[in-house]
Amino acid sequence: GQQLNQSPQSMFIQEGEDVSMNCTSSSIFNTWLWYKQDPGEGPVLLIALYKAGELTSNGRLTAQFGITRKDSFLNISASIPSDVGIYFCAGQRAGTSYGKLTFGQGTILTVHP
Amino acid sequence: EAGVVQSPRYKIIEKKQPVAFWCNPISGHNTLYWYLQNLGQGPELLIRYENEEAVDDSQLPKDRFSAERLKGVDSTLKIQPAELGDSAVYLCASWRERVLDTEAFFGQGTRLTVV
Repeated sequence: GQQLNQSPQSMFIQEGEDVSMNCTSSSIFNTWLWYKQDPGEGPVLLIALYKAGELTSNGRLTAQFGITRKDSFLNISASIPSDVGIYFCAGQRAGTSYGKLTFGQGTILTVHP
Repeated sequence: EAGVVQSPRYKIIEKKQPVAFWCNPISGHNTLYWYLQNLGQGPELLIRYENEEAVDDSQLPKDRFSAERLKGVDSTLKIQPAELGDSAVYLCASWRERVLDTEAFFGQGTRLTVV
């Protein structure tokens, strides 16, 4: 089963607003990944984080690896309609074999023009 | 480079019938994953391969599911017989082992409907 708690489950925002979502766990993670999934498609990797405290940007997206290594967040600035989709966090838990990923439940983002 | 390729994109079968999915990973990626994604949920791991070896198949329902990765490249996932509850999206992903690099890339998935 899944071990990551992702919130919020869904968001309805106006175009131009900023968005923030996060992922938490009771376990320590070595890697955090953020994916976006459009309807009928597979998840697409947005940002990868490898060190506690790391802050990484990809255009209007910014993600951070929490200092405790038990959480991560993703921010989207100045949202646009094409940001609509489902955002998943994923991580490799410390102590698990390299490459073993656990996924959150997803955050459904709706952007109103 | 070409991404992860899966086929078919969609499959509709009657319950109790067999079904197979195929995955071609990104060239050079030695790790291959099969994930199950139910509606409204995140992907859940079914099986992970390192080259030809299945290194994590603890979540694979072995009574009806099987997988193989001959020659460490392409992989197939089979369900026999399919049940109504198997309706879901089956995702394949691949990853190349590099130091400090855990980036899995996904295919478009196969949407299975069992009727």
